[in-house]
Amino acid sequence: DTGVSQNPRHKITKRGQNVTFRCDPISEHNRLYWYRQTLGQGPEFLTYFQNEAQLEKSRLLSDRFSAERPKGSFSTLEIQRTEQGDSAMYLCASSLDGRDVAFFGQGTRLTVV
Amino acid sequence: GDSVTQMEGPVTLSEEAFLTINCTYTATGYPSLFWYVQYPGEGLQLLLKATKADDKGSNKGFEATYRKETTSFHLEKGSVQVSDSAVYFCAPHTDKLIFGTGTRLQVFP
Repeated sequence: DTGVSQNPRHKITKRGQNVTFRCDPISEHNRLYWYRQTLGQGPEFLTYFQNEAQLEKSRLLSDRFSAERPKGSFSTLEIQRTEQGDSAMYLCASSLDGRDVAFFGQGTRLTVV
Repeated sequence: GDSVTQMEGPVTLSEEAFLTINCTYTATGYPSLFWYVQYPGEGLQLLLKATKADDKGSNKGFEATYRKETTSFHLEKGSVQVSDSAVYFCAPHTDKLIFGTGTRLQVFP
């Protein structure tokens, strides 16, 4: 399978715990995006990378969220001190470059209890 | 910032009816335009795209034309099927894709 891969698919955590998600983009894709989607809403932009450089981070994003893309390959999204409001589907997408088609992974569903 | 406005759903149609889902956007620069579809229980999939003014994207019987002067990218299909039931998202793309709330389409036999 050469699509975008996300792990884990599901994560249940207790409030206050830290969680980390991983995204493996399509190889040779320079752009990598993170989005969050809640029920009945469209995907909300979180951040994106061009190779290993994080070029933009949503102003709505709490300081508890951090993302990395070491070596410009896979990416991780960490949420510290999780809150119930963090419960959502976290989506990763990759594209060859800006304005190109972005391909989405299946997402990681986070439930904070 | 960039934004998208889509018609409120759900849109409920009988099979073989004509479909239009309106989309207007605001964007800095010159975006590419996309329609994505999310079938029940599945991830986001690209439906069609257009990269410059007056381009028409098409796929699976769906069409949309890039209208720069009206900043619109309306989705149309001449004859919908039950299998088209899904949520549809219009998304301009400059540095990143921007999504609206989506439009749910329900097609009944």
